This record gives sequence, structure tokens and C-alpha cells, in this order.
Amino acid sequence: SSELTQDPAVSVALGQTVRITCQGDSLTSFYATWYQQKPGQAPVLVIYNKNNRPSGIPDRFSGSSSGNTASLTITGAQAEDEADYYCNSRDSSGYHLLFGGGTKLTVL
Amino acid sequence: EVQLVESGGDLVQPGRSLRLSCAGSGFTFDDYGMQWVRQAPGKGLEWVSGIDWNSGSIGYADSVRGRFTISRDNAKNSLYLQMNSLRPADTALYYCVRAWGANWNDVRFAYWGQGTLVTVSS
Repeated sequence: SSELTQDPAVSVALGQTVRITCQGDSLTSFYATWYQQKPGQAPVLVIYNKNNRPSGIPDRFSGSSSGNTASLTITGAQAEDEADYYCNSRDSSGYHLLFGGGTKLTVL
Repeated sequence: EVQLVESGGDLVQPGRSLRLSCAGSGFTFDDYGMQWVRQAPGKGLEWVSGIDWNSGSIGYADSVRGRFTISRDNAKNSLYLQMNSLRPADTALYYCVRAWGANWNDVRFAYWGQGTLVTVSS
């Protein structure tokens, strides 16, 4: 498969933990990278190489991977975490890059 | 501070051409791979094309291969996207992206510009 599949929408209560998943055959060979995009803004890299955070990204963001599924976990979600989240990786051939369809996170 | 500033977006008719530019600053431009990523209105992100630090290797999405050409001028700290045979489906905000490393297939899209809007319509 040359696709990355994400749930279109997820919600979480303020202060609770939420997991956003990304599924694809290529994830058995390549890491997923995660991005946060708020309305009207460019995406921001939040997790790379499975579970590394760029400087400035809060440590409540973490990543993991198992089989063909990568996950982004937000532990203690804050109101400012409400955004669209996208995963990306290479396809199975390694010669194309892919984005998942995105997950809209609502913080209740 | 890393800055990426796109330009060249416009309203064009189907079948016409357009050239996008991206000016990079705040980093050593020829140390990094560069990408174009687009986002149709209200839709998700789509990778378009990537180029190595020295233009030695290039990749394209199947949706644009044969119509779009990516290039860079390291002396001018600039990235380009020549778009030919434009279609309404190419309507999107086009982002210039700096990779984490030197290769185009590095999926760590570290820095993003604010985008330039391309509208293809008659």
C-alpha cells in the first residue's frame, strides 16, 4: 500500500491523554514524522524519528510505533493543542513521500 | 532565524504555466534538501517534489511528474517550481519546506514558509 491512513477526527477532554494513529505498510520500514497545523498557519514539526522532539516542542508530545502503525500521544492535552495533525513517511518503494489525510483534534 | 518566503502564486487558466520561487535565509542554503508541499483549500497536505542539496537527486509525486520541474540556485539561496499544463486540481497553497538533512527524501520537514496561492480556473 502507498497510503497513510489517519482517523479524520479525535476529541479529548482538557488535561487527558489522547493518541492519534497513522497506519500504512511503509511504516514497517520507515519512521513516521508528525506535524501540527493550526488554522491559517503553516505546519510545525512535532515528532521525528519515531519519538524525538525538536526544540521548543513540549514534552507532553511523544511518538511510538508498532508494526504498521505509528502513534502520536499527547499526555495532558491543553487547549492550545487543538489543531490538525498529519503524519508523513516514505512509501514502500522509498522513492515517494506521503502524508496521511490528517486528524482534527478537538480539546473539550 | 530560518526564513522561507514563497512568491509567484497567481490565478491562471487551465493549461497555462506558472513558476514559483522560494527565497531562503538564516541558514546555509546549500547544506539542505528542499521540498514543495501543497494544500488544496480545506484539504490535507500533499507532497509535490523534493531536491537534494546539490540537485543530484530529485523526486516527484505521481500527480505532477512530467508537468512540474523543481530546481534550485544555491548561489541565490533560491528554490523554484516550474508548473506546466496546470489543472484545476493543482489549485492549492504551495509551501516551500527545508528538510532536516541534505537529501530530498528526508521526511523531517523542519521549516515551512507561509505559502503562495495558486488558483487554476477559467
